[in-house]
Amino acid sequence: DGGITQSPKYLFRKEGQNVTLSCEQNLNHDAMYWYRQDPGQGLRLIYYSQIVNDFQKGDIAEGYSVSREKKESFPLTVTSAQKNPTAFYLCASSIAGVLNTEAFFGQGTRLTVV
Amino acid sequence: QKEVEQDPGPLSVPEGAIVSLNCTYSNSAFQYFMWYRQYSRKGPELLMYTYSSGNKEDGRFTAQVDKSSKYISLFIRDSQPSDSATYLCAMSGDSNYQLIWGAGTKLIIKP
Repeated sequence: DGGITQSPKYLFRKEGQNVTLSCEQNLNHDAMYWYRQDPGQGLRLIYYSQIVNDFQKGDIAEGYSVSREKKESFPLTVTSAQKNPTAFYLCASSIAGVLNTEAFFGQGTRLTVV
Repeated sequence: QKEVEQDPGPLSVPEGAIVSLNCTYSNSAFQYFMWYRQYSRKGPELLMYTYSSGNKEDGRFTAQVDKSSKYISLFIRDSQPSDSATYLCAMSGDSNYQLIWGAGTKLIIKP
């Protein structure tokens, strides 16, 4: 079955640690995105990538980093510089690099700082 | 003022009722309008997609766009308990590669 797989589903991080969230897709989509979702707020774009080896900052990129070495993979690292990392993180992909086509989402990773 | 406003709810209605969910927006350049449904602890999934103004129907769901009022709606007929979820509106313009999201409305359908 085609889709997007995010792992892990739940992640706990200690203060000062970096953690990496995995996102893999087998839809052959060029574009991939990372969003952050907080209660009572819309999805906020962290980073996006329209093609392999290229990515752009979204609205809230500070404290996060990404890589796009393979078409099917777009991991997100939450660094210690991110002051409030506890949130629900969603990875998405779409056929084209323009978001007026359908975006397919993974099931999300819930990150908690302990 | 947020670019897209959506009442977070919760909106609680009895099974079988007609549900109306709405978003208002401020950017007149928006041309693409989408409704996503998100079940608890899951990723959103696309429900309806509309370009520019007008109505679009798909089964029990109708999406309506009124660009003159900068207002979009999603109607659900014969609502079912399985429709209980958070409904997110999202929109973008021709030259805007980003989707701008509403905060989502939590909908509860009571059996």
